[in-house]
Amino acid sequence: ILNVEQSPQSLHVQEGDSTNFTCSFPSSNFYALHWYRWETAKSPEALFVMTLNGDEKKKGRISATLNTKEGYSYLYIKGSQPEDSATYLCAFSTGGYQKVTFGTGTKLQVIP
Amino acid sequence: EAGVAQSPRYKIIEKRQSVAFWCNPISGHATLYWYQQILGQGPKLLIQFQNNGVVDDSQLPKDRFSAERLKGVDSTLKIQPAKLEDSAVYLCASSWTGEREQYFGPGTRLTVT
Repeated sequence: ILNVEQSPQSLHVQEGDSTNFTCSFPSSNFYALHWYRWETAKSPEALFVMTLNGDEKKKGRISATLNTKEGYSYLYIKGSQPEDSATYLCAFSTGGYQKVTFGTGTKLQVIP
Repeated sequence: EAGVAQSPRYKIIEKRQSVAFWCNPISGHATLYWYQQILGQGPKLLIQFQNNGVVDDSQLPKDRFSAERLKGVDSTLKIQPAKLEDSAVYLCASSWTGEREQYFGPGTRLTVT
């Protein structure tokens, strides 16, 4: 079973602060790294899928980077807003039938 | 397009009872996944279907859990009999064959008392 680790487990930030989370994953047999946002009582929503070492993706105030050689990805949120409050999950997939292994998530709470 | 549908959204049962969850994936998605997310943990893949065939069920507790996708479209996941440790959110997701992105349903929150 592959080990995907996320840190921190939880985070409280003030509205307007910028923040970042880390996802660590095995560097062998890499296929893709996924980031999801999961708000309470809603479906997990895909933020990014990254496949290439050095990939950087951006969606509004949220961006992510990928280092497949050392096995980590960062998710950045610039100028956090209360609506960013959610659990952010990363998931690592291998080749073949793309078995996906999730991390435990980072729970973000943005305080107005 | 319509998203992944799941029902029920919430279920409370007593231990040793049976329960079934239903999932209808996005139309045309051949790959369907069932995940179990226990509080404080990440979602764990229970079973993955490609059309109506099982691709991976290595983490499915087969003594009590079963799943089927008879016509390659919707799917049911059953627990019989339930244990306290089965309390979790059960997520269904689907994707196009070979597509990396999975689309999730809202989940079923199961409480076993």
